[in-house]
Amino acid sequence: DAKTTQPPSMDCAEGRAANLPCNHSTISGNEYVYWYRQIHSQGPQYIIHGLKNNETNEMASLIITEDRKSSTLILPHATLRDTAVYYCIVRVAGEYGNKLVFGAGTILRVKS
Amino acid sequence: KAGVTQTPRYLIKTRGQQVTLSCSPISGHRSVSWYQQTPGQGLQFLFEYFSETQRNKGNFPGRFSGRQFSNSRSEMNVSTLELGDSALYLCASSYNSGSRADTQYFGPGTRLTVL
Repeated sequence: DAKTTQPPSMDCAEGRAANLPCNHSTISGNEYVYWYRQIHSQGPQYIIHGLKNNETNEMASLIITEDRKSSTLILPHATLRDTAVYYCIVRVAGEYGNKLVFGAGTILRVKS
Repeated sequence: KAGVTQTPRYLIKTRGQQVTLSCSPISGHRSVSWYQQTPGQGLQFLFEYFSETQRNKGNFPGRFSGRQFSNSRSEMNVSTLELGDSALYLCASSYNSGSRADTQYFGPGTRLTVL
């Protein structure tokens, strides 16, 4: 089962910041938070990941609370092309190798 | 650097047939994972290969199998196809540095339709 909970959908006005929340209250100290997005019927696209510090790259910023029980993905200036399903994933501790457990994600609709 | 490639992109099969899907990882990546995506179950992990060995396996029947070649390319096979196997099959590769921050990059997927 996914270790994260996300709102099923959100709307955002084009040009405004989109803030997507994620709850991961059972996260362990060495587990990373990953964000991917999936535009209709395409493969998931990696956005960003973090452990405890806030992270920023050319696509987005990731804000992780001090207790690490929740995080927020920020798209600073959302465009229509950012409409997608956004997945927040916690890499499961103890798993050897790579295994991402996807939840239902958040459908972000960017509107003009 | 080229991304993950998957072939074919679309496939139509009938029940009882078998199918083989192919995945070429990003150059230098040694780990390949496979996922199945359906409207009802979402994205589910199938298995992961590293150094030609299956290292992780999801909860799927034995009809689903895979292998990895010495050049890290991978194939997955589904035998005795059922209608419920209709799905988008996604391949993801990663470098496998041994770190929990090892990032997977996904291919465009193969859309399989079983009639």
